[in-house]
Amino acid sequence: AQKITQTQPGMFVQEKEAVTLDCTYDTSDPSYGLFWYKQPSSGEMIFLIYQGSYDQQNATEGRYSLNFQKARKSANLVISASQLGDSAMYFCAILTGTASKLTFGTGTRLQVTL
Amino acid sequence: DGGITQSPKYLFRKEGQNVTLSCEQNLNHDAMYWYRQDPGQGLRLIYYSQIVNDFQKGDIAEGYSVSREKKESFPLTVTSAQKNPTAFYLCASSRQVFGTEAFFGQGTRLTVV
Repeated sequence: AQKITQTQPGMFVQEKEAVTLDCTYDTSDPSYGLFWYKQPSSGEMIFLIYQGSYDQQNATEGRYSLNFQKARKSANLVISASQLGDSAMYFCAILTGTASKLTFGTGTRLQVTL
Repeated sequence: DGGITQSPKYLFRKEGQNVTLSCEQNLNHDAMYWYRQDPGQGLRLIYYSQIVNDFQKGDIAEGYSVSREKKESFPLTVTSAQKNPTAFYLCASSRQVFGTEAFFGQGTRLTVV
């Protein structure tokens, strides 16, 4: 079975500061992919970043980077220079090679303040 | 424009009625998914399909049914057996190439009245 755990129900960060959203995962499959999505209040799901289990380097996409620590089974999302528009729910998800189903965590609500 | 379309955006259902949520994609994706989201909660997988005429139960399939007769379409029926169907339903699709992200529809908000 595969599982994602997000232990931070809510986070606050000041504008222009960096913030780290935690994600740990559990799978026995050596081949897997980790995804982060953003969900604004409108409800749409916006893909942010992807990390493969065999990728040697941490993924980066603009202001988003993924701190991938394979031995600890963690895939934390780092948002640099936070903006007011970053206020949203953030979900971590895993897709394994054998299960072929995309499983999400419970999410973290990020609030960016002035 | 390629994308994934869910309809309707809002749906009201009387208790005891079945209702079908539509999900159509023109991205030529093989895999499609249905998720349920309750207020302030994460996404829970209802059903998923990797190929036409085949689908698997997710974590909360009871009270739901699906079909996959065409690659583009993956409708979800919420049956009267679903005890608490009021929720936000999201459909997604992805290529079968490992590592590609899933694309989501805009969602359907179902309310039982």
